[in-house]
Formats: sequence, C-alpha cells, structure tokens
Amino acid sequence: AQKVTQAQTEISVVEKEDVTLDCVYETRDTTYYLFWYKQPPSGELVFLIRRNSFDEQNEISGRYSWNFQKSTSSFNFTITASQVVDSAVYFCALSEASRRALTFGSGTRLQVQP
Amino acid sequence: KAGVTQTPRYLIKTRGQQVTLSCSPISGHRSVSWYQQTPGQGLQFLFEYFSETQRNKGNFPGRFSGRQFSNSRSEMNVSTLELGDSALYLCASSLGGSFQETQYFGPGTRLLVL
Repeated sequence: AQKVTQAQTEISVVEKEDVTLDCVYETRDTTYYLFWYKQPPSGELVFLIRRNSFDEQNEISGRYSWNFQKSTSSFNFTITASQVVDSAVYFCALSEASRRALTFGSGTRLQVQP
Repeated sequence: KAGVTQTPRYLIKTRGQQVTLSCSPISGHRSVSWYQQTPGQGLQFLFEYFSETQRNKGNFPGRFSGRQFSNSRSEMNVSTLELGDSALYLCASSLGGSFQETQYFGPGTRLLVL
C-alpha cells in the first residue's frame, strides 16, 4: 500500500541555519510523482515542487533544494539560510497511476526563530 | 489567473445539521478533488470529480457527498454532522485529474461542529 512518512514532527532552527526535511515513501507503482507543499498558518497548501519517478536529478530553486533518491525511497527538502517566512508546515505527497489522489505525509512543522 | 477559491472560509454548525461547501477551480481546470485535514488523521482524500462525474472516492462514510457542475465548480455536502467532522476542508484543482498533474489548493473551509 502507498505510504508517505515524515518522521520529523517539528523542527526549530534559528534564522540563517540550513534545515533538511525528510520524506520517505512506499509504493508498488513504477511510475509515480512526488510533491512538496507548504502550509502557512492561513491554511492554504502552496505547491513547491513536483518530481517524477524517472528523474532523479536534484533540483535547486533559490534557497530551496530537493534530493530524490530512488534507492532509499526518499525525497528530502533542504532550505538553505532559513528565514522567518519559511515557518510553516511542510507536506510531502505521493501520486500514483493506480490511485488518482495524493497520499500525504503527516507533515513537518518548521519554526524559524529570528 | 485566479487561484482556487472556496466559500465559506469559516463555518460553525451543530451536531445533526448538514453543510454545503463550495469550490471554484482555476479557470480551465476540469478536475476537482476534496481533502479533509484534521490534527489526528492528517490530510485525507475525500473524492475527485471530472466532467460532472465522481471518478474516485476515499474511505469516508456516505454522509460525505459531492457534485460538480458544468462549469467545473464543485460542492461537497456533509449530512448529519458529527463532532469528528470538525476539520479544514481543502479543495484542489488540476487540468484533467491525471496522477501526473499538480493539484493546486484553495484556502480551505474551516468547519467547526459543536
């Protein structure tokens, strides 16, 4: 069965620190997509990145970077030089051809202290 | 382009009542999915609509229902409300609902059942 695990419930860092949010997934599908969403206190889920199962190239977008490793079924998210505005709950999600719905992890609450 | 909109943003109901939530997808998006978010269960998929047809359904009781109109707007209804139905209900839209597509979320409707 599909499953997404975000073992870190809450992380607290001081501004300018680097922080990595872990995501481990389980799926029987060979074709699937992985996503990261950010949920600020307002509640809306903000899309950050989508990665398909055939593309293991790491991606960098400004202070954000993602490391996808199929061998360990992980899709980790790193924020470099964190800022207070990065404070939010971050969700990793899995989408499979066999199930046209997102399976979410439990989320990691990131608090960036000034 | 305007994002996904949801109305109302906040709702207070009492047990036994019913409630209808509304979602307007991004222009051109024909797939609408609904998710329930609670502190205990996290983000869970309710159902997905495409071209006025329910294509996919999560593991929720029949009290939860939905529909989609010809303009792709969607409503979800919860009848005979229970205390456990208190949650943030999120709507997401995508172009065609393929598992490969990114789902874009609205701000959610916070439902409190007393």
